[in-house]
Parts: sequence; C-alpha cells; structure tokens
Amino acid sequence: DQQVKQNSPSLSVQEGRISILNCDYTNSMFDYFLWYKKYPAEGPTFLISISSIKDKNEDGRFTVFLNKSAKHLSLHIVPSQPGDSAVYFCAASAPSGNTGKLIFGQGTTLQVKP
Amino acid sequence: NAGVMQNPRHLVRRRGQEARLRCSPMKGHSHVYWYRQLPEEGLKFMVYLQKENIIDESGMPKERFSAEFPKEGPSILRIQQVVRGDSAAYFCASSPIRGKGANTEAFFGQGTRLTVV
Repeated sequence: DQQVKQNSPSLSVQEGRISILNCDYTNSMFDYFLWYKKYPAEGPTFLISISSIKDKNEDGRFTVFLNKSAKHLSLHIVPSQPGDSAVYFCAASAPSGNTGKLIFGQGTTLQVKP
Repeated sequence: NAGVMQNPRHLVRRRGQEARLRCSPMKGHSHVYWYRQLPEEGLKFMVYLQKENIIDESGMPKERFSAEFPKEGPSILRIQQVVRGDSAAYFCASSPIRGKGANTEAFFGQGTRLTVV
C-alpha cells in the first residue's frame, strides 16, 4: 500500500516558468511533510518541509502548500531554473513513534528546459 | 567536515553471496537510518539505529537482512545469500537528533548500488 503518492512520474517546464509538483497521502495521522531533491548517482538532499499545523511554507524560490482536508501537498518552484532538473521526492513523517522515519513517494522527474 | 560516507559505491555479488554495506555518519551524528530504493520506486525505510541499539527495524525483511551500528566504526547493513530481487540502491542517512527534528537534520549519503548477478 502506497501511503504517499506522486502520480506524475515526470514534468517538463520552460526556464523562468513555475514548476508545480504534486503529492497525495492517505494516512491522516501524518503530521510532517518534506520535499527532497535528488540528482542521479547522489543521495537525496533536503529541500523544504511543512508541519501539519501550517498550510504554507516558503523558502526563496520554493513554496510548499498543504491541504489537509484533501490530503494533498504541492511544491512550487518559481522561477524554474535548468539546475532544478532532478527527481523530487515527497515524504511524510511516520505517525507512530517519534523516530524520524520517513515514508517516501515514488518521485517526479522535473526537467527545466533553457 | 565530511558528509555521510557510504562504501562501496557499487557492489556486484553473485546469487548466494553476502553483501556488506558500510555507512559512516557525519561527525557528531549518533542516529543512522537505512533506506532502499528499488528501480522506478521511492525510498523505503528499512531500519533506524543508534550506537549499539536497533531502535526501529520495521522495514527490514524478516530473513537474510541485518544491521548494526557498533560503538566504534561504521554502521553495517548485511545481506546474506543475496538474490536478484535485492538489487537496488541502498541509502544511509544520519542525524544528530532523534524524532521530528531529525527529518530536517538528516543528511543522506550517496548510496551503494548493489547488483546481484
């Protein structure tokens, strides 16, 4: 059972435009969400996070929106740059315990065209 | 300050052999997580360890897989009698703290790509 889903395997946008990556989850007990960026042959790098008590968190060009009623979050990148081309993973903090364990989505490959 | 170091980067094993994957956490980090990424999938949690303790192994397969984080030395993920289905990228992450804060404080290594032939 896939508790965190990224239904778009890939996304292509033009440089300077907005990139919107989506993520859905099924477990209403998740209370912390993160986005990671991953280049080929490298480990994931933390990008931005949001707690369930908020509906928006912004950091420079990156903004994460959380819609708890819809169990949906999205990552907005604006303006998109070619260097943003990577695989983006959505992750949720496991509801039980407090170990820092993460549940990841399948990833979305973003390509930003110059 | 070196990041999380994993070795080897690539490992090829024949079916039935043992695979040992090593992870040296960042300096000052005492919490280690192992994740596995199968082709075309996201990362799947395997195990969470502190020094000399397994805290959460709910993602570990019941057989052939084991992990340790000794008082001295790196964390080891050990896979006995490997099968083709074990072929994956194995990532280690380390954190200085436990819990929700660990999510933003965790740093991932570059991974070990295991190929079973």
